[in-house]
Amino acid sequence: DADVTQTPRNRITKTGKRIMLECSQTKGHDRMYWYRQDPGLGLQLIYYSFDVKDINKGEISDGYSVSRQAQAKFSLSLESAIPNQTALYFCATSDQDRDTGELFFGEGSRLTVL
Amino acid sequence: GQNIDQPTEMTATEGAIVQINCTYQTSGFNGLFWYQQHAGEAPTFLSYNVLDGLEEKGRFSSFLSRSKGYSYLLLKELQMKDSASYLCAVMDSNYQLIWGAGTKLIIKP
Repeated sequence: DADVTQTPRNRITKTGKRIMLECSQTKGHDRMYWYRQDPGLGLQLIYYSFDVKDINKGEISDGYSVSRQAQAKFSLSLESAIPNQTALYFCATSDQDRDTGELFFGEGSRLTVL
Repeated sequence: GQNIDQPTEMTATEGAIVQINCTYQTSGFNGLFWYQQHAGEAPTFLSYNVLDGLEEKGRFSSFLSRSKGYSYLLLKELQMKDSASYLCAVMDSNYQLIWGAGTKLIIKP
């Protein structure tokens, strides 16, 4: 089983609908992140959380919200989806005690907004 | 602004050596990462450089020159399974990762 699990893996929705992407991890890491990936662009950070009570905006947080329900769970919501939010979304974790700050990614959630 | 540049696509032959370059301009520097991403899959960590010089790990090596804002990933004895995108990322002074768009490496028999 994957250490970082994302659900759903694929979702097609319509403009204006609310959508939630969920992420859970068994690595015991405190730090969790949501990224989106678009063709031809680098990974862009949406939100990140360093512990349950800590939520921070990334570079492209507009139109998104997050919830850190527990150390192991970090969900991303699109309150009213729009077509330019069509992308591949990745959840990631890292261990604050590791010098390298290596990220461990989930398998991705492909979202299509029609 | 902050910027990471790497070639969009490269082609190499099975068994050969390929060097993927990455140049960066960031607000501060706290390390440079290389990740591998196969099509439709998650990125996986390859290497981390924070000091100048070469880090070798099996068939893969990564080099860093902080004064030049430059890194490269060297892949030796290329195998078909090395066909993937290679992502360069720099951690800035706020410990945020700035990502390049990735280099798609195509391996031909």
